[in-house]
Amino acid sequence: GAGVSQSPRYKVAKRGQDVALRCDPISGHVSLFWYQQALGQGPEFLTYFQNEAQLDKSGLPSDRFFAERPEGSVSTLKIQRTQQEDSAVYLCASRRLAGGGDTQYFGPGTRLTVL
Amino acid sequence: SQQGEEDPQALSIQEGENATMNCSYKTSINNLQWYRQNSGRGLVHLILIRSNEREKHSGRLRVTLDTSKKSSSLLITASRAADTASYFCATEHNNAGNMLTFGGGTRLMVKP
Repeated sequence: GAGVSQSPRYKVAKRGQDVALRCDPISGHVSLFWYQQALGQGPEFLTYFQNEAQLDKSGLPSDRFFAERPEGSVSTLKIQRTQQEDSAVYLCASRRLAGGGDTQYFGPGTRLTVL
Repeated sequence: SQQGEEDPQALSIQEGENATMNCSYKTSINNLQWYRQNSGRGLVHLILIRSNEREKHSGRLRVTLDTSKKSSSLLITASRAADTASYFCATEHNNAGNMLTFGGGTRLMVKP
C-alpha cells in the first residue's frame, strides 16, 4: 500500500509569507506526528494528533505554527509570517495505533527555505 | 532539545567491513528505534527493540539495548556502498502520544 506522502516536496518562501504543508498519512492510521529537522540534526517533535484531536503541541516553536487534522486523515501544518529560522525539513509520520510500541512511518518531508 | 547522543558523528569504512554506531539516552524508555535517512530523503524504519529486549536481528543488522547503561548499538555487517546514509536512534517514552525523541545521527560512508 501507499506510504506517507507530503506536498510540496520543496517550498521557497519570502520572509513574512505564510506557508501550508500537507501530509497524507497511511490510510487508517490513528496517530499523526509532525517533526522539524534542521540541517545536520535529528528530527524534533512538533505536534501529535490522535484522529482529529491535537493531543500534544508542546513542540511547536511559536504561535506562528498551527496544525490541523479536521477529519482525522490529512493534516496541514501552517506557518504564518515565516522567518529565516523556520528553514528546515518538515517531516510527517503516521502510526497505526493510538498507543506507543508501534512503528512510526515517515513521509519524504517538505524542505522549506525562507529567504 | 534532543534526548540521545550518537557516537560517532561520522564513520567512514570500506565495503565489506562492519559498522558499529552507538546511541545513549537519558530517561527511561518504552522502546528504541533505529532509522536510516538517505540524503534529501525521508526516514526509513530499520528496527524496533523494546525495553525488555536485549538484542534483535534483522538481516545484516544487529541491535543491542542495555537499559542499565541507557545505551544501544547498531551493527551493520558486511557493509555495502548502498548502506551510505545517516542513521538515527529514536527513543519512545511513556508520555502523551509516545512521540519519538531523536539523536543527532551518525553519518556513515561506505567506500566501494
